[in-house]
Amino acid sequence: DTAVSQTPKYLVTQMGNDKSIKCEQNLGHDTMYWYKQDSKKFLKIMFSYNNKELIINETVPNRFSPKSPDKAHLNLHINSLELGDSAVYFCASSHRQNTEAFFGQGTRLTVV
Amino acid sequence: GESVGLHLPTLSVQEGDNSIINCAYSNSASDYFIWYKQESGKGPQFIIDIRSNMDKRQGQRVTVLLNKTVKHLSLQIAATQPGDSAVYFCAENSPSGGGADGLTFGKGTHLIIQP
Repeated sequence: DTAVSQTPKYLVTQMGNDKSIKCEQNLGHDTMYWYKQDSKKFLKIMFSYNNKELIINETVPNRFSPKSPDKAHLNLHINSLELGDSAVYFCASSHRQNTEAFFGQGTRLTVV
Repeated sequence: GESVGLHLPTLSVQEGDNSIINCAYSNSASDYFIWYKQESGKGPQFIIDIRSNMDKRQGQRVTVLLNKTVKHLSLQIAATQPGDSAVYFCAENSPSGGGADGLTFGKGTHLIIQP
């Protein structure tokens, strides 16, 4: 069974659209994250969430919003997509903050 | 701001040789470090970790060295195999510059194993 799974794997959409990426973890972890990887492979954290507290990286536009229906899921909603949002987005989870994180396979978002 | 960085963006080694990937970090408050391997089209995969109360940790064919004096981290891979070809990231535990908790990643080194 996949530990951290995210869908879709590829997402192509037009500027201005609203889209969501889903993430589920079956590891029983308390904390989930979203990371963005740009074209130069640089990985940067966007959010961390542990069902008590959401921590947002201040560089993330408020068009991005995580939603957690339950402890095992942390979905990423993006409104009014822009060309610069094109990247690979990774969901991850860990037993607690600042320990080993397990990553999903990534969602390659292309905004045209 | 503080950051984690890598000295070499690309490293090419012959199959069977040992490889060393280096990483410099600047946050002296970091107390936990991880090396990840990322193959093309996949997510980062945990390789090995080390806490700041240690200076060396060994796994299967991999060794991580931590030098807190000079804030340097390295990953040694012994007897490299074709499957070792990937991008390797070091990561540290510290709040990001923007305040989100989680791992701070270095820029990555592309390891190429030559046949």
